[in-house]
Amino acid sequence: SAVISQKPSRDICQRGTSLTIQCQVDSQVTMMFWYRQQPGQSLTLIATANQGSEATYESGFVIDKFPISRPNLTFSTLTVSNMSPEDSSIYLCSVEAGGLQDTQYFGPGTRLTVL
Amino acid sequence: QKEVEQNSGPLSVPEGAIASLNCTYSDRGSQSFFWYRQYSGKSPELIMSIYSNGDKEDGRFTAQLNKASQYVSLLIRDSQPSDSATYLCAVSRGGGYNKLIFGAGTRLAVHP
Repeated sequence: SAVISQKPSRDICQRGTSLTIQCQVDSQVTMMFWYRQQPGQSLTLIATANQGSEATYESGFVIDKFPISRPNLTFSTLTVSNMSPEDSSIYLCSVEAGGLQDTQYFGPGTRLTVL
Repeated sequence: QKEVEQNSGPLSVPEGAIASLNCTYSDRGSQSFFWYRQYSGKSPELIMSIYSNGDKEDGRFTAQLNKASQYVSLLIRDSQPSDSATYLCAVSRGGGYNKLIFGAGTRLAVHP
């Protein structure tokens, strides 16, 4: 597996502002993923981030709202832009690691509250 | 029809019993199947992966896969109160298509 850290662990933000979430991995990984988990819900994939290419967004998520950077093989950021209360969620990054097909490990998450 | 379906529960079992968690999926092309455990306020933790039909055992956990029936299950033997959590089933098409589709999760409560 991989050791994954996220910053910040939680934040309370005002409507209309933006927050950038960082994800750091202790080893080089090809694929990193960003998920959202709304209160009481399961995980929904926002986008897949490969180093050296543009992130691939899932249906319902757009780059203007959730820009992603992937500058190297151990780091990625997700920005939640022009936030509204509906963006209040836990945001999780995950990585594919461990050598087993499609196996993903999750970071501790960022709990975002938008007022 | 949801892509991955789970009974939301709660599934309540007494300590020491076998907990049986079930998951069905709609994509016949799915190749990789996972069970994650998520404690309240924590991130998902991988507990089992299974890729072939049949059973796979790891300690007190057994994953069962039946691709013909598009069904995957997780058995937890000798359930402990510490097993109380939400269990998420996740499915991937594999073959380089790495996206995981998660079910809504089943909440398990193990009571002493």
